Amino acid sequence: KNEVEQSPQNLTAQEGEFITINCSYSVGISALHWLQQHPGGGIVSLFMLSSGKKKHGRLIATINIQEKHSSLHITASHPRDSAVYICAVPSNTGNQFYFGTGTSLTVIP
Amino acid sequence: DGGITQSPKYLFRKEGQNVTLSCEQNLNHDAMYWYRQDPGQGLRLIYYSQIVNDFQKGDIAEGYSVSREKKESFPLTVTSAQKNPTAFYLCATSGVWGGRGNQPQHFGDGTRLSIL
Repeated sequence: KNEVEQSPQNLTAQEGEFITINCSYSVGISALHWLQQHPGGGIVSLFMLSSGKKKHGRLIATINIQEKHSSLHITASHPRDSAVYICAVPSNTGNQFYFGTGTSLTVIP
Repeated sequence: DGGITQSPKYLFRKEGQNVTLSCEQNLNHDAMYWYRQDPGQGLRLIYYSQIVNDFQKGDIAEGYSVSREKKESFPLTVTSAQKNPTAFYLCATSGVWGGRGNQPQHFGDGTRLSIL
């Protein structure tokens, strides 16, 4: 049983396209995290959100707590956005996170 | 410059050998974590520590050991009992333990372990 499901697994887009990555989860949460993993393996935290919407540059994250669903959008995609995007939610005790398998995004010039 | 340093970046293990992966942080974070990443799978928790001299097993602790003698350091030893150690290992920290997941995790750049 996967507490976190992401879709799609792989995504290829032309530069400039609008991109959406989806995340569904089954546990009750206080906050959902979106992470970005670069080709070298390092991971950075993009967003942490518990309601509504957050925006950072060309990245927008939304969450619907009732439907247990979050989306990550990238506007005007660029080849440097190519990475694996991972959704994560905390366990009920807050002492660990459950991670999605990631969405591998490739943006072609 | 604050952050998490993992070393080495690449590591090779011979049969029957124990190897230790280093994780050092200067973020003054209490909580530290070790994850394993395999292709096509999400990150899986090996061990976590909420405070110095205390650590707890995660979902896949068998064949691994850790120590937390200093706040800054959380080394992971992959023992010979771990029969399939080839994976990417990530260390992470967070500022507040058990904060209901409301604190972001900070990650190191990882160590890729392979079997010779």
